[in-house]
Parts: sequence; C-alpha cells; structure tokens
Amino acid sequence: GAVVSQHPSWVICKSGTSVKIECRSLDFQATTMFWYRQFPKQSLMLMATSNEGSKATYEQGVEKDKFLINHASLTLSTLTVTSAHPEDSSFYICSASSGFVNSGNTIYFGEGSWLTVV
Amino acid sequence: GENVEQHPSTLSVQEGDSAVIKCTYSDSASNYFPWYKQELGKGPQLIIDIRSNVGEKKDQRIAVTLNKTAKHFSLHITETQPEDSAVYFCAAPPQGGSEKLVFGKGTKLTVNP
Repeated sequence: GAVVSQHPSWVICKSGTSVKIECRSLDFQATTMFWYRQFPKQSLMLMATSNEGSKATYEQGVEKDKFLINHASLTLSTLTVTSAHPEDSSFYICSASSGFVNSGNTIYFGEGSWLTVV
Repeated sequence: GENVEQHPSTLSVQEGDSAVIKCTYSDSASNYFPWYKQELGKGPQLIIDIRSNVGEKKDQRIAVTLNKTAKHFSLHITETQPEDSAVYFCAAPPQGGSEKLVFGKGTKLTVNP
C-alpha cells in the first residue's frame, strides 16, 4: 500500500510552548489529509480535514486556534499544537487520500506521533 | 450522518482458531468498507477493504464479507496467529461526504498461543 510518514514519532515539550507534527505522503499526491487524536483504548477521533491549498475544516469542538493545520502541498500537511498544556498530551495520527473513497480511492495512515506536554 | 457499530469490543481466541468481527452501518449510500489493524503504539494499517459491487473479498487468511441489504460487513481471520493480536477498526464513509471515514469503536483481538 501507499506510504504515509509522520514526524516526529514522539515529542516532549514544555507547557506553554508550541509543537509541530508533519505528515507526508511519500509515493502519492494527497489531495486530502486528515488529523486524528486517539486516547488510550479508544477509537480515532477526527480533528480536522485539510485539502491542499485551502483552509482546514475542523470537527465540532476542536479549537482551530489551538490546533493549526496547514496543507501547503500535495505531499505535506502539518499540525501545530499551540500553547500546549498537559491535557493536550495524546497520540496524534494523520491519514491521507488522493481522492474520494467512494470514487475508488483509499485512505492510508501514518505511524502516529506521541505528544507529551510536561 | 453515518453511524458505524462494531462488535465485539474484545475477542479472545486460541491460536489456529478463526476470528470474526462484525460491523453495521447506517447510510445505505456508503459503498466503501475498509478494515484497519492497529498494533500498540502504532498508526492503523489498512489490511483489507471491499467496495459495494462485490459481496466478498479474500486475501490469504483474511476475508471481508458485505451484506448491503442488511447493511453489515464482517472481517474473518482464519488460522489465527499470535501476531494477529491487535485492535481492529472497521470504517465507512459518512453521508454527504465521501472524503473521510467514520470508524467503529474497535475490537481488541487476543490470540492465545
């Protein structure tokens, strides 16, 4: 299957600082990328959907000023957690697709990034 | 919107036995149904998917069946091995938006040696 790479795989930051996570599609052009948050023993919670060159669409309850998403190219999307607090500690996962799944495309996930805010 | 229900939440089998995980969905317009395997501390990995023009798809020890009339699809793993132990998620595209997926709550599969 297609490869989606996330970096860093884990990061520790101090409370009040910002941290950026990158998501790259290595062997296909991702017109759409998705960012998820996952708490222990729970399912994936969609945070936002980003399309290349346009503003991200955030799910209800997700603070857009807190979680800044940029999708500047067809192979790169970034999630920046601003003014991080301990409650932002979580497993963040991105996924990418080259088009609508109902039109024959598939969604592939990155390996995830563990964020710990101390 | 789409609602995906997944059962069971946990499943324990002996090595060599079969495992079956079932999902139901609510939107009759959905036509794509993937299954993902998530190992501890890693991102989900697509293991098999099916589109609504077929009723069954098989890949070695893994198969997925789809019943569009009843709006449910199932993952079948035969001859289970300890490395099959993981959390499995089913998903379906939501109504009105076919870019993203709605996920089930996951099934933790444990294969005992």
